[in-house]
Amino acid sequence: GAVVSQHPSRVICKSGTSVKIECRSLDFQATTMFWYRQFPKQSLMLMATSNEGSKATYEQGVEKDKFLINHASLTLSTLTVTSAHPEDSSFYICSANKGLAGVEDTQYFGPGTRLTVL
Amino acid sequence: AQKITQTQPGMFVQEKEAVTLDCTYDTSDPSYGLFWYKQPSSGEMIFLIYQGSYDQQNATEGRYSLNFQKARKSANLVISASQLGDSAMYFCAMTNLGQNFVFGPGTRLSVLP
Repeated sequence: GAVVSQHPSRVICKSGTSVKIECRSLDFQATTMFWYRQFPKQSLMLMATSNEGSKATYEQGVEKDKFLINHASLTLSTLTVTSAHPEDSSFYICSANKGLAGVEDTQYFGPGTRLTVL
Repeated sequence: AQKITQTQPGMFVQEKEAVTLDCTYDTSDPSYGLFWYKQPSSGEMIFLIYQGSYDQQNATEGRYSLNFQKARKSANLVISASQLGDSAMYFCAMTNLGQNFVFGPGTRLSVLP
């Protein structure tokens, strides 16, 4: 199997605080981890791609100083939303893959984190 | 650039009936992978089925099958014998090795008792 965990599942915070979300691949080593954001009734929007030991690659329009990504090991990536504001409220989902070809290129998703900024 | 189109924002199906969810894609790469994911109300993205561009046969996984028509660039998902638990959002996605996933806008499937 390929299990990805994400913590916390839900967080409510005050405006101006920072929130850290963890993404872990539990039974495989993830060459690459991805962070997505999803607004209600919309598809997933890729925010950034992170590879272990290197800087994350951010998609156009995503502020790297706002959304800090650290990929400390082959099983852990973290997303920190710094100085969160109400417009950052969203559903954040991470995924990981093994970096292999074909069906092994499948991205396995975490359960998501619902962030609410008051 | 890669693009995924899902033209059905919402679909209804009677329990125990089969349903087809449409997906068309656009890419200039000869090698690519096509995926379907299910997202229930809980939010988790559940991998359902994979089809490689060079696969000769249509992929099947239990009640899920993929109707892959390469010349038409379509990869429709067929769910047989629908169950109430199949009610969810369904996303079609594609990737080329080493590139990011591209997701379609999704189709909301509602299974009626």
